[in-house]
Amino acid sequence: DGGITQSPKYLFRKEGQNVTLSCEQNLNHDAMYWYRQDPGQGLRLIYYSQIVNDFQKGDIAEGYSVSREKKESFPLTVTSAQKNPTAFYLCASSIKSSTEAFFGQGTRLTVV
Amino acid sequence: DAKTTQPNSMESNEEEPVHLPCNHSTISGTDYIHWYRQLPSQGPEYVIHGLTSNVNNRMASLAIAEDRKSSTLILHRATLRDAAVYYCILSNNNAGNMLTFGGGTRLMVKP
Repeated sequence: DGGITQSPKYLFRKEGQNVTLSCEQNLNHDAMYWYRQDPGQGLRLIYYSQIVNDFQKGDIAEGYSVSREKKESFPLTVTSAQKNPTAFYLCASSIKSSTEAFFGQGTRLTVV
Repeated sequence: DAKTTQPNSMESNEEEPVHLPCNHSTISGTDYIHWYRQLPSQGPEYVIHGLTSNVNNRMASLAIAEDRKSSTLILHRATLRDAAVYYCILSNNNAGNMLTFGGGTRLMVKP
C-alpha cells in the first residue's frame, strides 16, 4: 500500500540526548514536511523540503535538524538544544504542485 | 501569511447537517482554501479544497463566498465518526503550498 510511515509511534528519551524520528513515503512525492503539535494546539511547521538535497526552516526550526538524502525519506533530529521537545510530531508529504498533503500517524516524543 | 479565523468548538446532533464557518479576510487571489480534519492522536486528513467555486466530494461540500473572504465546510449528515478538529487553511502555489494551521474547530457530535 502507498502511504507515509512514521516510526516509532511512541518514543521516550532522557533530557540532553539527541533523538531522530523517521519518516518514509512511497508516494513518489517531491515535498515533505515536519510539524510539531502541542496539546490542544494546531500544527506548527518545523522544516520542509521541496526536493532531494534541499530543505528550508519553518516557523520553529530552532533545536531541530533534518536531512533529505533520498526522495522517500525525511528524518528529523530533535537535538539537546530544543528546550521543550516533548510533543506530538507529524510528517507530511505532497506532490510539489498539489494542494493535498498526506500525513503520517505521528510520533509522540516524551523527554524525561 | 494569510490567516484564518474559526470558532473554537461546535456541537451537532447525529444525522443532522453541520456548517463549519471560516473567515479569511486577508486572502489573496492565488490562495487556495483547504480543510483538513484531525481525529484524536492521529495525523490530519485532507477533506476538501477550493479556489473560487463551490466544491463537492464524497466527504463534504465547500461553499466559498463570492468575495472569498469566508467559506463554510458542510457535512451533510454528521456521524459520530465526524467528531474531530477541523482546520481551515490557506495555501499558495507560489509559496510551495505551505499549510499553516490555526487552532481549528473542535466538532462534537451528539447521538
